[in-house]
Amino acid sequence: EVQLVVSGGGLVQPGGSLRLSCAASGFTFSDHYMDWVRQAPGKGLEWVGRSRNKANSYTTEYAASVKGRFSISRDDSKNSLYLQMNSLKTEDTAVYYCARNLPSGDIGFDYWGQGTLVTVSS
Amino acid sequence: DIQLTQSPSFLSASVGDRVTITCRASQGISSYLAWYQQKPGKAPKVLIYAASTLQSGVPSRFSGSGSGTEFTLTISSLQPEDFATYYCQQLNSYPLTFGGGTKVEIK
Repeated sequence: EVQLVVSGGGLVQPGGSLRLSCAASGFTFSDHYMDWVRQAPGKGLEWVGRSRNKANSYTTEYAASVKGRFSISRDDSKNSLYLQMNSLKTEDTAVYYCARNLPSGDIGFDYWGQGTLVTVSS
Repeated sequence: DIQLTQSPSFLSASVGDRVTITCRASQGISSYLAWYQQKPGKAPKVLIYAASTLQSGVPSRFSGSGSGTEFTLTISSLQPEDFATYYCQQLNSYPLTFGGGTKVEIK
């Protein structure tokens, strides 16, 4: 059974840092692109960024709103995806999801983690 | 960036109704479009990918169509468990973007 478990959320002050983790199981993690998506309270979905798979050299992509502040990494030996968030702003407050890409390429996300709430407030 | 405009943003319908949601892209995205359903407090669930392919396990009352800039999600006969918010997503180019969502509520 495919599972994605997200952890690491919490309350952080503006300007602070936080690292989210997404632990994967039930599939060959190294084969898949993995993405982060967030959802501010009461709002829609916003794509945060992507980690490509080993075959594509683990390259990354980011939304403009987080580029230079957030960093995505992965450790295939631990079946884990990470989101390092620095210089956090109040507008980064959201539930953060990790998501697995469908095996056939850029066609959608078939499994999502349960999400973790990040609150940026003084 | 490619903008996705969903319409309507809110829809009130009855069980058994046929429901159609439209997603328009600001530029052509071929068939790189997915549809998701999200219920309150839950992660999104993929319904349709590549514009018209039904994800395994999703009921056949859901269907998707379109290519280029105009896409539709159709629920042929609305069921009680279908009351939720629906999002389209384009995966043609970065940044990946989502539509603003369509909330389907009980009439």
